[in-house]
Amino acid sequence: GAGVSQSPSNKVTEKGKDVELRCDPISGHTALYWYRQSLGQGLEFLIYFQGNSAPDKSGLPSDRFSAERTGGSVSTLTIQRTQQEDSAVYLCASSVRTSGGADTQYFGPGTRLTVL
Amino acid sequence: QKEVEQNSGPLSVPEGAIASLNCTYSDRGSQSFFWYRQYSGKSPELIMSIYSNGDKEDGRFTAQLNKASQYVSLLIRDSQPSDSATYLCAVNTNNNDMRFGAGTRLTVKP
Repeated sequence: GAGVSQSPSNKVTEKGKDVELRCDPISGHTALYWYRQSLGQGLEFLIYFQGNSAPDKSGLPSDRFSAERTGGSVSTLTIQRTQQEDSAVYLCASSVRTSGGADTQYFGPGTRLTVL
Repeated sequence: QKEVEQNSGPLSVPEGAIASLNCTYSDRGSQSFFWYRQYSGKSPELIMSIYSNGDKEDGRFTAQLNKASQYVSLLIRDSQPSDSATYLCAVNTNNNDMRFGAGTRLTVKP
């Protein structure tokens, strides 16, 4: 079946503009994660959705960042008033949560965001 | 203290040698542990998962977990140049969030 898809693959924007990044998880996966990865760095957790529960937003770096997940499937990450330090690859991952909490994540190809 | 810590490397080993990658974590309630491999410019892909203390082997890869020491490692036997990548340690925390280490860059020299 199809894996996690993300769009756009690349986004170049001007400082101060808003951007929306989209993630389509694997069908049936109840958990969805957003991460940010700057060049040569590890993954920075941003936000986590699990089913219909309130999302864990503890990783969002500022109130310019927000995300939603409609119908328990597609998710959109929105960055308002972008800054140059927002430039990074934004990765989405989804997983099937088991009763034991085991959580193998499958990653999308990422969106490379460049803020000029 | 970072939640998940890894030696950033780079770690360089000759072809055919054993590569040893280490990871420590801070949340003592963590239950699930993962190793991901990330090639340059690509997304992470899962190599191994481990949930119980001890060793878990899969082909040339062995994951080792010691919950008392809050330590998880990955051994790669008979290292190949194609193993050259960044290896990310990930821990499913007590809050059911996933936290990743910064990754260890491995280079296997022919």
